[in-house]
Amino acid sequence: KAGVTQTPRYLIKTRGQQVTLSCSPISGHRSVSWYQQTPGQGLQFLFEYFSETQRNKGNFPGRFSGRQFSNSRSEMNVSTLELGDSALYLCASSLKSSYNEQFFGPGTRLTVL
Amino acid sequence: AQSVTQLGSHVSVSEGALVLLRCNYSSSVPPYLFWYVQYPNQGLQLLLKYTSAATLVKGINGFEAEFKKSETSFHLTKPSAHMSDAAEYFCAVSEDGETSGSRLTFGEGTQLTVNP
Repeated sequence: KAGVTQTPRYLIKTRGQQVTLSCSPISGHRSVSWYQQTPGQGLQFLFEYFSETQRNKGNFPGRFSGRQFSNSRSEMNVSTLELGDSALYLCASSLKSSYNEQFFGPGTRLTVL
Repeated sequence: AQSVTQLGSHVSVSEGALVLLRCNYSSSVPPYLFWYVQYPNQGLQLLLKYTSAATLVKGINGFEAEFKKSETSFHLTKPSAHMSDAAEYFCAVSEDGETSGSRLTFGEGTQLTVNP
């Protein structure tokens, strides 16, 4: 089985721009979660989608949004980028929501200049 | 609210020595606990998980962890370190799945260095 894939792997943007990151979960997995990883804040939960519905949301501003499609693929969008949004964005998928083992993708490294 | 504390942001051991990475959690309900490993420029890989079936959990690559409710701990150990174990390790907790879904709360991470 193919693992979780994330595109693009690297991205450079400037302040004020917006960006869309994509995540394809493992085949059959219906839950997709997003995390932000930075040296200062560590790993922080952004949101989780299950069957196209947002189940849970972390403590991030409204500039961070996401969605899930019927094939379980997910995208997250960050609008009006700030320097502090520079981070590794990790996507994780699991069979279903709750207690299931999460499989992580390699991440998208976003740099905001 | 749930939280995880990893004692020691950096741990250094010699090859062949015991690896001990500490994790303490705070949770208002019986938790599900996980250890993940992250190699440079990669995502997270699950080492092992505790889901209340057994207090001593064996994982991949020779790692194991023991859940101690009285100490609210879930320390990760490996009897003999290998050079390939050098990486960053994260302890994570997940609470009641019905309300929190698959949300993981991570510790700060411990960078493990293995010296030849």
